[in-house]
Amino acid sequence: DTGVSQDPRHKITKRGQNVTFRCDPISEHNRLYWYRQTLGQGPEFLTYFQNEAQLEKSRLLSDRFSAERPKGSFSTLEIQRTEQGDSAMYLCASRTEGGTQYFGPGTRLLVL
Amino acid sequence: KNEVEQSPQNLTAQEGEFITINCSYSVGISALHWLQQHPGGGIVSLFMLSSGKKKHGRLIATINIQEKHSSLHITASHPRDSAVYICAVMGDSNYQLIWGAGTKLIIKP
Repeated sequence: DTGVSQDPRHKITKRGQNVTFRCDPISEHNRLYWYRQTLGQGPEFLTYFQNEAQLEKSRLLSDRFSAERPKGSFSTLEIQRTEQGDSAMYLCASRTEGGTQYFGPGTRLLVL
Repeated sequence: KNEVEQSPQNLTAQEGEFITINCSYSVGISALHWLQQHPGGGIVSLFMLSSGKKKHGRLIATINIQEKHSSLHITASHPRDSAVYICAVMGDSNYQLIWGAGTKLIIKP
C-alpha cells in the first residue's frame, strides 16, 4: 500500500454509459497524475494537476474525458459515453515537488 | 525511435543470478525512475535518480547522465523478483513521465 488509493478497483460498464473514478493521493502531495495502461503496454500519460490546477492534458484525452481536482486533494476522472477502446487500467499517482511518484492500485475498466 | 529504450525486453534467469536491465534515453531529463509492476498489480516506484547510484536491499540503480544511460541490477535474484521493470524519465521541460516499454523478468527456482 503506497498511500494512494483509487476507487473503484474494478468497473464493468456497457458501451455508452458514463463512469467516474476517484483518486485519493497522499495528503501532502500537491502533484497528481492520471495514466492509462492497456494490456502489455506501458502507462500513457493522461493529465496532471498541481494543487487544483490542471496544468497539462494529453492529446489522448478526448472530449469524452474530463478530470477535476476541486480542492487540490482528491481527483476524479470521468469518461462519458464509454467505448470499448476505453477498456484499460486507469492509474493515479501523486508526488511532492522533487519527490518520486507513488502509484495507486489502479481502476480496471471493462466496457462491454 | 522511442525516446526511452529498454533492454532486454524479456529476461529469464535462474534463482541466484545477477540481473542487469538497461535503459537508454534520448531527451534531456530532470530525473529517471525505475518502477516495478507485478502481473495484475499496481506500479511500485523503486528508485528515482538524477545522478550517481542508489542501493536498496538487493537492488542497485545507476545513471550516467553524459551517456544518457541507466542500469538496474538485482543481486541474488529470487522468484519473487519476477515482474515487469519499467524505466521512465521526467523531461526537464515538462511534467510528463516518458515510459520505456518495460522488461519482463522471470526468475526460475
